[in-house]
Amino acid sequence: GAGVSQSPSNKVTEKGKDVELRCDPISGHTALYWYRQSLGQGLEFLIYFQGNSAPDKSGLPSDRFSAERTGGSVSTLTIQRTQQEDSAVYLCASWTSGGPGNEQFFGPGTRLTVL
Amino acid sequence: GNSVTQMEGPVTLSEEAFLTINCTYTATGYPSLFWYVQYPGEGLQLLLKATKADDKGSNKGFEATYRKETTSFHLEKGSVQVSDSAVYFCALSGYDYKLSFGAGTTVTVRA
Repeated sequence: GAGVSQSPSNKVTEKGKDVELRCDPISGHTALYWYRQSLGQGLEFLIYFQGNSAPDKSGLPSDRFSAERTGGSVSTLTIQRTQQEDSAVYLCASWTSGGPGNEQFFGPGTRLTVL
Repeated sequence: GNSVTQMEGPVTLSEEAFLTINCTYTATGYPSLFWYVQYPGEGLQLLLKATKADDKGSNKGFEATYRKETTSFHLEKGSVQVSDSAVYFCALSGYDYKLSFGAGTTVTVRA
């Protein structure tokens, strides 16, 4: 597709369950980001993949959060033992090389609700 | 670390009014600056950007100038329309390539 896609668009889960969120970046984009948008915290960086380099995980809020990017393309964000404070919109963005002035293209997000 | 401080909302205006949303930043080095917009029910999209001091970004009648001396990147539009109702986010990116966002400003334009 032409843009970044994410699935599912909405996810409702029970506290303590694991969830997986998927991101398909724009073809050819070397970098992929996960951000979280929540009422209390605004938009915050979670993790960043660039090519074959080790990911920058500095924004992950706890060890319950992990992400992988397979084959330099699709990424999955996994949240284990979900808590109510994990409820948020999870945004994926992709970016092509050329410097920090290049635009990050955002997907529509996955709205996660933890009951 | 990098941070962005953005004017708190919500902001409510009448059509054709002048809009300003203040944004200041703290960063090491020379970051790139952005305004992203989120229309109701839609995803984040880039509105405009500036990559060096004194650059002016512009799009859809919106403008913002990268002011290094005041570490600011205020967003302005001279005559807003109902269709400009959205949440606006100021953001910066340094050579860590991560976006740091302001808190967002909700703008509502009334006919």
